[in-house]
Amino acid sequence: GAGVSQSPSNKVTEKGKDVELRCDPISGHTALYWYRQSLGQGLEFLIYFQGNSAPDKSGLPSDRFSAERTGGSVSTLTIQRTQQEDSAVYLCASSTVIQETQYFGPGTRLLVL
Amino acid sequence: ILNVEQSPQSLHVQEGDSTNFTCSFPSSNFYALHWYRWETAKSPEALFVMTLNGDEKKKGRISATLNTKEGYSYLYIKGSQPEDSATYLCASLTGNQFYFGTGTSLTVIP
Repeated sequence: GAGVSQSPSNKVTEKGKDVELRCDPISGHTALYWYRQSLGQGLEFLIYFQGNSAPDKSGLPSDRFSAERTGGSVSTLTIQRTQQEDSAVYLCASSTVIQETQYFGPGTRLLVL
Repeated sequence: ILNVEQSPQSLHVQEGDSTNFTCSFPSSNFYALHWYRWETAKSPEALFVMTLNGDEKKKGRISATLNTKEGYSYLYIKGSQPEDSATYLCASLTGNQFYFGTGTSLTVIP
């Protein structure tokens, strides 16, 4: 594809609901990354995938967060029982392999009411 | 949590001035150092990925150096232009995680 795409671009949900965020990486990119930026905060690394596997999930903020990648392409970040502190911009990036230049998607703006 | 520190936190320079910022990171278990340029309301744009001690990268008027032994990287901008105004982030890939600094906010005054 032309670039990294993310959906939805904006999501408003109620506290306690589950949300699923989707990332479509650039075709052929084997590495995929999830980040978030909370209001007034810097960029926080969540998780990365090399192929379909995530070597280290300790960056996920809590056990309500999970991520998966199937077929070495699309990835979904799922937040269960959302809390207001989950409100943030969730960014996805991909690269040919880990350590190479990362290309970012436009982000999903999540607001938990 | 590893400390990746950037300085200064913010910087105002006149158009045409050259400037530089610092990123310091723990040198143990280091794999790579990334620099990003992040404009407001846009997604971060990758500038450089550096892995080797003594590495130097250049992209137009922007260049960067890396010292993995002492754990620092410098980003240089030569002849700053207003369009260079952005936040410049560095991130260290250590182990299996990226640790970001809080960024240097650059404003170039015309």
